[in-house]
Amino acid sequence: NAGVTQTPKFQVLKTGQSMTLQCAQDMNHNSMYWYRQDPGMGLRLIYYSASEGTTDKGEVPNGYNVSRLNKREFSLRLESAAPSQTSVYFCASSFVRGVQDSPLHFGNGTRLTVT
Amino acid sequence: QKEVEQNSGPLSVPEGAIASLNCTYSDRVSQSFFWYRQYSGKSPELIMSIYSNGDKEDGRFTAQLNKASQYVSLLIRDSQPSDSATYLCAVTNAGGTSYGKLTFGQGTILTVHP
Repeated sequence: NAGVTQTPKFQVLKTGQSMTLQCAQDMNHNSMYWYRQDPGMGLRLIYYSASEGTTDKGEVPNGYNVSRLNKREFSLRLESAAPSQTSVYFCASSFVRGVQDSPLHFGNGTRLTVT
Repeated sequence: QKEVEQNSGPLSVPEGAIASLNCTYSDRVSQSFFWYRQYSGKSPELIMSIYSNGDKEDGRFTAQLNKASQYVSLLIRDSQPSDSATYLCAVTNAGGTSYGKLTFGQGTILTVHP
């Protein structure tokens, strides 16, 4: 059982380049999320998808786009990378139902450096 | 005021002691509360979830929730060097409308020394 799989693990980009981070989950979860983690800032939500076919902005969406390709896959795209987007990116998924939210399950992360 | 605040740390305790990690949150209607552990260079992993006032125990870990005081804590009994990590408190807002989105505290670094 792989859980949440992210690719790539590491990436170095030059300013202005674009790239897509891929994420797939095999836990039949309905909701998926992209977070970034920066020193001293904790984890901050970039975008989320409550269900297949829907996406919404989180706390820090500027400079990113997402696609919920199907129930399993949720990708994050940087159209024109900037040094401020240097961070560790985590994809997560959850089965959301009713009042009690289920915990998030995280992928292993992508360490992105923009020079 | 940050939405979720944790004791700033770093926190250092001797092996075998109780480590106490604290978290306050600002959204009064928060329904779901989680503690994650994150080792350096790794992804967060769930330790405890708690939804109702009171204590919840799982092995050496006890989570305590007080919604009136908007306070959630994590106690680690008989701390081990392997418990050395960053502990993240996470909170959702109103149940049913949060879509599982978690707001995280900035984390508390715990070091357990032999």
